[in-house]
Amino acid sequence: EDQVTQSPEALRLQEGESSSLNCSYTVSGLRGLFWYRQDPGKGPEFLFTLYSAGEEKEKERLKATLTKKESFLHITAPKPEDSATYLCAVQAEWDDMRFGAGTRLTVKP
Amino acid sequence: DGGITQSPKYLFRKEGQNVTLSCEQNLNHDAMYWYRQDPGQGLRLIYYSQIVNDFQKGDIAEGYSVSREKKESFPLTVTSAQKNPTAFYLCASSIGRERYGYTFGSGTRLTVV
Repeated sequence: EDQVTQSPEALRLQEGESSSLNCSYTVSGLRGLFWYRQDPGKGPEFLFTLYSAGEEKEKERLKATLTKKESFLHITAPKPEDSATYLCAVQAEWDDMRFGAGTRLTVKP
Repeated sequence: DGGITQSPKYLFRKEGQNVTLSCEQNLNHDAMYWYRQDPGQGLRLIYYSQIVNDFQKGDIAEGYSVSREKKESFPLTVTSAQKNPTAFYLCASSIGRERYGYTFGSGTRLTVV
């Protein structure tokens, strides 16, 4: 049973075209939801941690939000350098961090 | 600068051979992890360690072994018992196991030849 599902698998945007990535989860006792960025052939880079429903975090063109069932990563006016795979992970009480398969974002100039 | 160093970047293994992947961190983090990444799948946990001389199996520990003799180092050995070892291996560390984001290394790509 999947605990973390990311959608879409791939997303192609024009530069400046805002959109959102989704991460839905089914764990109980959420300790934290994490977003990472991964460039090809490299390790993931930590972006945000969200701990409770209603919480929001922002960094440059990225904004992460959290509800009781899902998280969204909103990308405002993306640039080509935002192209990467974005990974979502959740951690429940007394459990390991569980990763989704990721959304591969391509931003065309 | 603090960070995690994984080596080598690329590794080739022959059938029946054991190979060891290196992971060193200078972040003074207590917890360290090994993940395996395959195309189209989420990262899967192999082993983790929260303290020196102690480590725990993750979801896919069969065919792998680790040691934690120093706080800074957490090497992973891929043994000949691991039948499908070709993958991208990632080492990570964190201040503690719960509620903290992880710092990842740049990865080792292992290929069976």
